[in-house]
Amino acid sequence: DIQVTQSPPSLSAAIGDSVAITCRSSQIIYTHLSWYQHKPGKAPELLIYGASNFLGGVPPRFSGSGSGTHFTLTITSLQPEDFATYFCQQSYSLPHTFGQGTKLEIK
Amino acid sequence: QVQLQESGPGLVKPSETLSLACTVSGDSVSRDTHYWTWIRQPAGEALEWIGRIYISGVSNYNPSLRNRVTILLDTSKNQFSLMLNSVTAADTAVYYCARGGLTMGWLDPWGQGVLVTVSS
Repeated sequence: DIQVTQSPPSLSAAIGDSVAITCRSSQIIYTHLSWYQHKPGKAPELLIYGASNFLGGVPPRFSGSGSGTHFTLTITSLQPEDFATYFCQQSYSLPHTFGQGTKLEIK
Repeated sequence: QVQLQESGPGLVKPSETLSLACTVSGDSVSRDTHYWTWIRQPAGEALEWIGRIYISGVSNYNPSLRNRVTILLDTSKNQFSLMLNSVTAADTAVYYCARGGLTMGWLDPWGQGVLVTVSS
């Protein structure tokens, strides 16, 4: 299985700050990486697929970058609704695997 | 708007079979445009991809669960289901269903998840 290492496991930031979350895969996955936002008691929501592509409705303060084995989710100008858990998923090879998640908390 | 909703018992006894259904609204499981996927998350652990099924009937499973898991489509009810047999406490988790992209493998949307506890 491809291992996905996500960091940091938790992050504290203030409204208006910018943050970056990274995922590293144990093998080259090209751009087969997605990012999700998860709030307690709710369904996880897809933010970014293909490492840097958006579905409609995702605010432009979210961006994704990277290819190969190193990927980054950047959130600029944090808003109150952005405080949640974020996780990545590789879909290059079965079984698809996920990062451990990053809990973003308000400072 | 596409929505998925998991349903099934919240408590299963050890050695028995866990059975969950995912009801899809706003899309059809009969279309050849998506995979239909199950994922789970034990408390405090990472998400684990369980498996997926396509309208052709082709399914893929996580090798860690392959001998115990079956995913089926029910086109008459616009549902897909998960069966996991011989469960143990290690199968206690929140179980999610999701629609998957064919090419890039993204998952969207997801269901809200259902907690299944394995205990006597």
